[in-house]
Amino acid sequence: SQTIHQWPATLVQPVGSPLSLECTVEGTSNPNLYWYRQAAGRGLQLLFYSVGIGQISSEVPQNLSASRPQDRQFILSSKKLLLSDSGFYLCAWSVGLPAEQYFGPGTRLTVT
Amino acid sequence: RKEVEQDPGPFNVPEGATVAFNCTYSNSASQSFFWYRQDCRKEPKLLMSVYSSGNEDGRFTAQLNRASQYISLLIRDSKLSDSATYLCVVCDNNDMRFGAGTRLTVKP
Repeated sequence: SQTIHQWPATLVQPVGSPLSLECTVEGTSNPNLYWYRQAAGRGLQLLFYSVGIGQISSEVPQNLSASRPQDRQFILSSKKLLLSDSGFYLCAWSVGLPAEQYFGPGTRLTVT
Repeated sequence: RKEVEQDPGPFNVPEGATVAFNCTYSNSASQSFFWYRQDCRKEPKLLMSVYSSGNEDGRFTAQLNRASQYISLLIRDSKLSDSATYLCVVCDNNDMRFGAGTRLTVKP
């Protein structure tokens, strides 16, 4: 069966510091991968998606970036965090288009 | 107009009640529809897909009205454990749009 991992589970970082969040998927090949952010009390905002290694599409301009160095690994990064980057970051995977997505447990980021 | 709109609630209902949520979407070319459930501070989890003919899974019934561009979720015989936020999701190829969610609280 497929599983998706995210780490860390929680993170507190000062403004201006870098960020690296990692997501890995097991049990499937060539998944579509997604990064979402959910601000407190708000809906999910799609940040990036990837249909293959090295292929990244960005949904919104921001100070975040994403990379997919391996088939089942998706990384979200920032060089300098802003206060507005605080939120619940969720990684998801799917197979085929269109298809239901399955979410990882998320990383709760607080920028102070 | 938002791409996917839901009544944010909260819906506060007693155990055993029937409750219905609606969701409207703006993209008439949308192809797939889902309901997700999200518990507080947890990730969304797929509750059910929504098919054109309507579908049922136990106490949950989902329906799609393409002409009016809305989907619905009906929960019968509500349980305390049904308390959560329910997210409507509309998908077109790789473009998946989430509603902001409807919060449900089932009370004893």
